[in-house]
This record gives sequence, C-alpha cells and structure tokens, in this order.
Amino acid sequence: DIQMTQSPSTLSASVGDRVTITCRASQSISSWLAWYQQKPGKAPKVLIYKASSLESGVPSRFSGSGSGTEFTLTISSLQPDDFATYYCQRYDSWWTFGQGTKVGIK
Amino acid sequence: QVQLVESGGGVVQPGRSLRLSCAASGFTFSSYAMHWVRQAPGKGLEWVAVISYDGSNKYYTDSVKGRFTISRDNSKNKLYLQMNSLRAEDTAVYYCARDPETNCTGGVCYSYFDYWGQGTLVTVSS
Repeated sequence: DIQMTQSPSTLSASVGDRVTITCRASQSISSWLAWYQQKPGKAPKVLIYKASSLESGVPSRFSGSGSGTEFTLTISSLQPDDFATYYCQRYDSWWTFGQGTKVGIK
Repeated sequence: QVQLVESGGGVVQPGRSLRLSCAASGFTFSSYAMHWVRQAPGKGLEWVAVISYDGSNKYYTDSVKGRFTISRDNSKNKLYLQMNSLRAEDTAVYYCARDPETNCTGGVCYSYFDYWGQGTLVTVSS
C-alpha cells in the first residue's frame, strides 16, 4: 500500500511569506497527485490536480510541482484567506491522503 | 451549479446501522463516479468507498469492507452509504465527492475529487 507523507505537519507564517509544503509517496505515483485546502468546519477544496495543474478559479499564487515520489505545493505570497489545512492525495490506482499540513499565523 | 448535499447523520449505538444520503444537482449525475470520504474529529481525510457511474463497480477501504455498502439511484440523483455494525472508530464527518472524469474503463476513473458536499456527522456512541 502506497503511503503519503506530508511535511511539515504544522507551520507558522506571515502574510506575504512564500510557503512550501512537501508530500512524499512511498512508491512512484507518476503525476497523479492533487492538493486540497480545508478550512475549519468546511469541505476540502481542490487547488491542484495532476501535480501541477491549477483548478479553475484557484488564485495563481498557488502552484504545484513534482513527479514520481516527491511533490510540493507552493503559495507564492501568503494571503489572510490561505490560513488553513492542506492535504495531498494520490489517485494513481487508489485514493490516499496525506496527514495534512496546518498553516497558521506567526 | 454543482451541488452535493449529504443527510442522514446522527448519533447511533455501536453495532447499529445508519444510511447516509447525498443529493446531487447541477450536473448529469448518471455520468459520474461518486465517492464517500470521511474525517474523524480533529483528524485527516480518509477515503471510504467509490461507485461507478452506473453502479456496476464498487470499491471500499479495508476497514469498512463487509460492513458498509455504497449504492446509487440515478433516477433520483442520489448516492447512498449503508453503514452496518458501526464502531466507535467510524465516528466522523462523512462527505460525498464527485470524480470529474467520465468514460473510463470499468466506470471508475482514478481521479481527484472536484466537488464535495458539506458533510454529515456520524457519532457512534453508547
């Protein structure tokens, strides 16, 4: 079973900071990776799919990169609305989420 | 616009059953595979089950196999999750979610989830 591991689990940042979250797969998943944002009490929202494709309507400050086993989500300039928890998800041949990264205010 | 609305959650005793529903609107429900995903209080997301667009193929995570059954009624635009032999560890918010791809072999497209419902809370407790 392929495991997904995110790092860090939590991070503190300021508005305007560049933020990078990493997701590692225990085996290659090619580019079959999505990133979601979830705010408290709300459903997750997809940001990135196929590792680097921006979902329609998502601000361009979000970007994704990587393939194989290592992936990153980057927020180029953190905005107040971006304080949330972020999850990666593999969907190559099954569906597994990372444990999440909570982005908080420094 | 696409809408998914879950219902049927509540408090149930261990060993009892519950059926969740997800009402879909704003898209051709019968063309898309659908999923259930759950989130225990304060925890991360866990995929639970998927059903193909026509209901012919279904897959489950190991922890619910033999206890949960996913189904759909395309004439009513509804997705269901029948949960039997409930355990305390099944306590979670349950979300339905749509797979954005269509026309995949076997009816289940291994894809991400583009739309989610707001979730319904299931609490298993005596």
